[in-house]
Amino acid sequence: NAGVTQTPKFQVLKTGQSMTLQCAQDMNHEYMSWYRQDPGMGLRLIHYSVGAGITDQGEVPNGYNVSRSTTEDFPLRLLSAAPSQTSVYFCASSLSSGGAGKNIQYFGAGTRLSVL
Amino acid sequence: AQSVTQPDIHITVSEGASLELRCNYSYGATPYLFWYVQSPGQGLQLLLKYFSGDTLVQGIKGFEAEFKRSQSSFNLRKPSVHWSDAAEYFCAVARGTALIFGKGTTLSVSS
Repeated sequence: NAGVTQTPKFQVLKTGQSMTLQCAQDMNHEYMSWYRQDPGMGLRLIHYSVGAGITDQGEVPNGYNVSRSTTEDFPLRLLSAAPSQTSVYFCASSLSSGGAGKNIQYFGAGTRLSVL
Repeated sequence: AQSVTQPDIHITVSEGASLELRCNYSYGATPYLFWYVQSPGQGLQLLLKYFSGDTLVQGIKGFEAEFKRSQSSFNLRKPSVHWSDAAEYFCAVARGTALIFGKGTTLSVSS
């Protein structure tokens, strides 16, 4: 009964380093998304995917890349980390890509990233 | 543009007292509304949701929320707060394929 699994839980990077945040779900959900959470800002959408091979930008996509080669996995890539990307990152998934309305989103436990 | 406002950044309630967390939304059509709770160091857990129908919705952990279209509000309530309810609470509205979150309200529970 894994649900949405994010790895790693914590990461420290130096400015300019690259890394990939992993997200996997075992619920056969079509829709997956990445949010970042910053103090006093709530959660903001970075990128989302409505199915394998289909991705699109959210509210704050700059500095991040995504791909969706399988239904289960939706990794988030930081190509050249910056201190402004210090944040907590959440991956979420929902059953259908028919909008976020009636499709309840399930969240992973988050990845806490610090960029020095 | 759709938006969600949670006017209270931080609320402290005595254990056993009632609780109301405020949420106002801006949305042109009938909104799909959610309340999530985040315990320290944890992910987000869905408390309850409103899609249509009865404007008073029941959720988990004894929470309820009332949708008031005339006030563009979706306030979260609990009649008697427990110490374990201390957490951050987020109201959200669905917009297409995304959720638009409020900035959150931190609830502290005093003994």
